[in-house]
Amino acid sequence: DVVMTQSPLSLPVTLGQPASISCRSSQSLVHSDGNTYLIWFQQRPGQSPRRLIYKVSNRDSGVPDRFSGSGSGTDFTLKISRVEAEDVGIYYCMQGTHGPGTFGQGTKVEIK
Amino acid sequence: QLQLQESGPGLVKPSETLSLTCTVFGGSITSRGYYWGWVRQPPGKGLEWIGSIHYSGSTYYTPSLRSRVTVSLDTSKSQYSLKLNSVTAADTAVYYCARDQGNFEIDSWGQGTLVTISS
Repeated sequence: DVVMTQSPLSLPVTLGQPASISCRSSQSLVHSDGNTYLIWFQQRPGQSPRRLIYKVSNRDSGVPDRFSGSGSGTDFTLKISRVEAEDVGIYYCMQGTHGPGTFGQGTKVEIK
Repeated sequence: QLQLQESGPGLVKPSETLSLTCTVFGGSITSRGYYWGWVRQPPGKGLEWIGSIHYSGSTYYTPSLRSRVTVSLDTSKSQYSLKLNSVTAADTAVYYCARDQGNFEIDSWGQGTLVTISS
């Protein structure tokens, strides 16, 4: 299975400040169809995960534009331009290029 | 708007079979472009893909669970099901049903249901 490694695992952030989460895969996530199946999920406390970003950088409908995804190959990043209180939670990256889909360990974002 | 709802026993005895059902609301379970999957999350731990099914009957199971897992579909009820046999305490988790756009691209999740394995 492809191993997804996130860092940091804990991210205290000041309100209004930017935040960045890294996700690295143990092998390239470029699929034979040319797409890169890298997804970012947000899991708020007590809730099920919610998809924020798909195929590296595509924001889902309703996701604030302060969230952005970037990267290629094996290195990916989720950025929050200005953290708001509602952004508290655990963020997971997931790859879908190589079956089975595998998740990172999660990064816990909290407010300082 | 699509909604997924898990149902099933919250307590299962070791060595028995865990059975859960996911009911799909607001969307067609026979849509060609989607797979219907299961993901679990042990308490305090990360997420693990279990398996999925397409309305055509095609299934995918994660290799580590393949010998114990069955996912099936009941289109007449707009439901799909998970069966995991020979369970142990390690199978205690919140089980989520999820819609997969293909290539494990989950775009929608159920609210999750906690299943505890204990005698």
